[in-house]
Amino acid sequence: ETGVTQSPTHLIKTRGQQVTLRCSSQSGHNTVSWYQQALGQGPQFIFQYYREEENGRGNFPPRFSGLQFPNYSSELNVNALELDDSALYLCASSPDGASYEQYFGPGTRLTVT
Amino acid sequence: AQKVTQAQTEISVVEKEDVTLDCVYETRDTTYYLFWYKQPPSGELVFLIRRNSFDEQNEISGRYSWNFQKSTSSFNFTITASQVVDSAVYFCALSGYSSASKIIFGSGTRLSIRP
Repeated sequence: ETGVTQSPTHLIKTRGQQVTLRCSSQSGHNTVSWYQQALGQGPQFIFQYYREEENGRGNFPPRFSGLQFPNYSSELNVNALELDDSALYLCASSPDGASYEQYFGPGTRLTVT
Repeated sequence: AQKVTQAQTEISVVEKEDVTLDCVYETRDTTYYLFWYKQPPSGELVFLIRRNSFDEQNEISGRYSWNFQKSTSSFNFTITASQVVDSAVYFCALSGYSSASKIIFGSGTRLSIRP
């Protein structure tokens, strides 16, 4: 148990739709990172937020966006869903000054049809 | 650029055998962290170990041991006397030392332990 929760567990969407995935970080952790894990691959870094500001971004298009709230919750939004967006989405929270120390949630499995 | 290579896509051994998972990394950073994670079929990433680049001492934790060799940029993971419960996908990963670091994962090694 890492103390990081994600919702929903599973989600099925249609191509072109929009989706919001949610993450609740450990209390006191002001950094949250999001990763996409396609089937058979390792997680790929999407972006990181620190105190409600984006603090780094991987090689993902702007239709992937995020929000972080003061209550240690955060969201990953994906617009104009594509079939290739089907993946496990993981969030991870980190204590201040130690973003290498990441506590992962159980993930949300998104299927786009 | 940072990169982690796990050349072994899948490994299958019989229970009680020893097995080593290989990991080779690339980074221009002089200070960095290396990790191993386990991902069982449930999908959650389970943290196993973090080593910083200053510490090349090998580490043993029960049946698990890790061999870090900076000279060859390798961070290999050995399971001694494997058990069926060790079956999972194992990821080697790399992170910078700064406060805004992301973790770069390898592609994973799927380990199957046969009874």
